[in-house]
Parts: sequence; C-alpha cells; structure tokens
Amino acid sequence: GESVGLHLPTLSVQEGDNSIINCAYSNSASDYFIWYKQESGKGPQFIIDIRSNMDKRQGQRVTVLLNKTVKHLSLQIAATQPGDSAVYFCAENKGAGNKLTFGGGTRVLVKP
Amino acid sequence: NAGVMQNPRHLVRRRGQEARLRCSPMKGHSHVYWYRQLPEEGLKFMVYLQKENIIDESGMPKERFSAEFPKEGPSILRIQQVVRGDSAAYFCASSPPAAGTRPGANVLTFGAGSRLTVL
Repeated sequence: GESVGLHLPTLSVQEGDNSIINCAYSNSASDYFIWYKQESGKGPQFIIDIRSNMDKRQGQRVTVLLNKTVKHLSLQIAATQPGDSAVYFCAENKGAGNKLTFGGGTRVLVKP
Repeated sequence: NAGVMQNPRHLVRRRGQEARLRCSPMKGHSHVYWYRQLPEEGLKFMVYLQKENIIDESGMPKERFSAEFPKEGPSILRIQQVVRGDSAAYFCASSPPAAGTRPGANVLTFGAGSRLTVL
C-alpha cells in the first residue's frame, strides 16, 4: 500500500557534526514533501519542503534532497546543535487538498 | 497571530465516557485536519474539514468518532464511549484556503495537541 517510511529509528550525533535523516516513499504520484520536527510534548513544526520538480532545496542549516528515481528523501542538518534533538518526520502530499501522509519518525539525539 | 489553538491540552476519561477535543485554526485558515499519534509512532490522518463540510474522513474509525467544523466556532473532534485504545495525542492542523504551487503553500501548521488518557 501507500506508505512513507524511514530507514533509521534513532540517530545519535555529536554536537557540531552533520546529521542525515533518510526517508523512503512508495507513491510515485506524490508531488510534495515536507520535513517536520517534533519536540517532546509539542506539535510538529515545519522545517522545509520540496516539490517533485526539484531535487534539492536549502534552508538555514538544513538541506532536503529528493531522488525520485529511487523514491528517497533525505534531510541534512549542518553543525547539529543540542536544540536539534527531536523526532523528525517526513510527510508526502499527493495533491488531494493538503492531506499529508507521515512516516514513522527518526529520533535524533545530539551528544555534547 | 496565536497559531493553531487546541484544548484541552490534557484530558482524562473513564471507559465509556465521551471526549471532546477543540481546535481553533490560525487566522485566515479555513481548512482543518485532525491527526492521531500513538506513543513513539507517526501521525495518522483522520479527517479533513472545511467550514461546514467534511472533505475527507478516510482515516476516521467507522464508529464512535465524529468531527465537525461549524460556520462559527472551533472544530470539534468527538469520541463517544471511549476505550483504552483511544488513548493518544490528537493533533489539529490548519492551512490556507487554496493549495498553491509555491514552496510553503501547502504547509500545515499544527497545534500543540490534546493528550487523551482513558482509564
């Protein structure tokens, strides 16, 4: 069935290093992808998005890469900081309004 | 801009009782979405509403769950005769009226969630 999934459930990273979070999706009809960050006890917070007509998009310290050939999405965080510790979700939209399908999440733990 | 407001933040109910969760979307947003999140899991879509209309309820359980978004007032997610398996965090999100093609146009803004515990 349609799904969005992640390869790694937990990622430990040293403060200052770069983090890479991966996500696989199965629906080739998806045309829009978003990364959300969720801190403990809070709602998901938008990080960055990308449309299917792009393969890379950069924000402040974050980069999203989209490989449509293998249906793979990744989030790169540069110079990871303690405040980056959270669960990160990828989500896809298939054009039906703004309904999003979420992946299972990756927990990022930043070690000082 | 107060963002998406949800209340109550925490709700405790006994089995068989009713739970009502409220969501006020961001100012200018007319689309509301409800998602459910179990501990250590992702968010699962439940229902998508516009004012006075249910657009997509494909993620709603067939029984006991209902949602509305009246012309005036917040959106309500109602769970009747709650069971322990209903214990979860329920998140509401809102978006602007029209999906667009520019980056960020389809972004859902989430509230802080309502955490339901069924004893």
